[in-house]
Amino acid sequence: GAVVSQHPSRVICKSGTSVKIECRSLDFQATTMFWYRQFPKQSLMLMATSNEGSKATYEQGVEKDKFLINHASLTLSTLTVTSAHPEDSSFYICSARSGTGPYEQYFGPGTRLTVT
Amino acid sequence: AQSVTQLGSHVSVSEGALVLLRCNYSSSVPPYLFWYVQYPNQGLQLLLKYTTGATLVKGINGFEAEFKKSETSFHLTKPSAHMSDAAEYFCAVSGPSGTSYGKLTFGQGTILTVHP
Repeated sequence: GAVVSQHPSRVICKSGTSVKIECRSLDFQATTMFWYRQFPKQSLMLMATSNEGSKATYEQGVEKDKFLINHASLTLSTLTVTSAHPEDSSFYICSARSGTGPYEQYFGPGTRLTVT
Repeated sequence: AQSVTQLGSHVSVSEGALVLLRCNYSSSVPPYLFWYVQYPNQGLQLLLKYTTGATLVKGINGFEAEFKKSETSFHLTKPSAHMSDAAEYFCAVSGPSGTSYGKLTFGQGTILTVHP
């Protein structure tokens, strides 16, 4: 149980285009989803927290107009990287938390984004 | 504010030897503490967590960790390393309430190498 999927697993896009990454909780309802970014050989940095049906809360320094997050249902959240640039290349990981506990997060397998 | 420090970015052990990965935290509220493992190009898998109660927690794959409030530590151990333990390990802290509620702050990670 508690499986989170991400799609796509890898994506290459050209500079200036937009890319959408999906995060799905497959066997539970996720009231809260988190989006992280991980640079090579570095730790995870929280980008934003999204609650179903409401606007995402972004961490300091994260551009909300560049990283659009939508949490339209209890099983799906999307991250859209708009007008991507090479510096946006990174590993993006989502996690999901059900409403039954304050601490348990289940992580997706991650999406490798490369902007050329 | 919360922070996590993992001492040693790389740890190398022989197969069958003791594994000890160090984690110290800083938190203004009683912490929830976690250890996650990440295999290459994958998301994070929860090894174990401490929330309340018994300070020695056991996790999957033979790992355990002890919460020591006086030392603000949550070191991860395994009596006998296996080749399959080779991965990157992240310590994380979350708060039970307030602005840190449910939000994980990760350490920098420790890469564990296991030699035959």
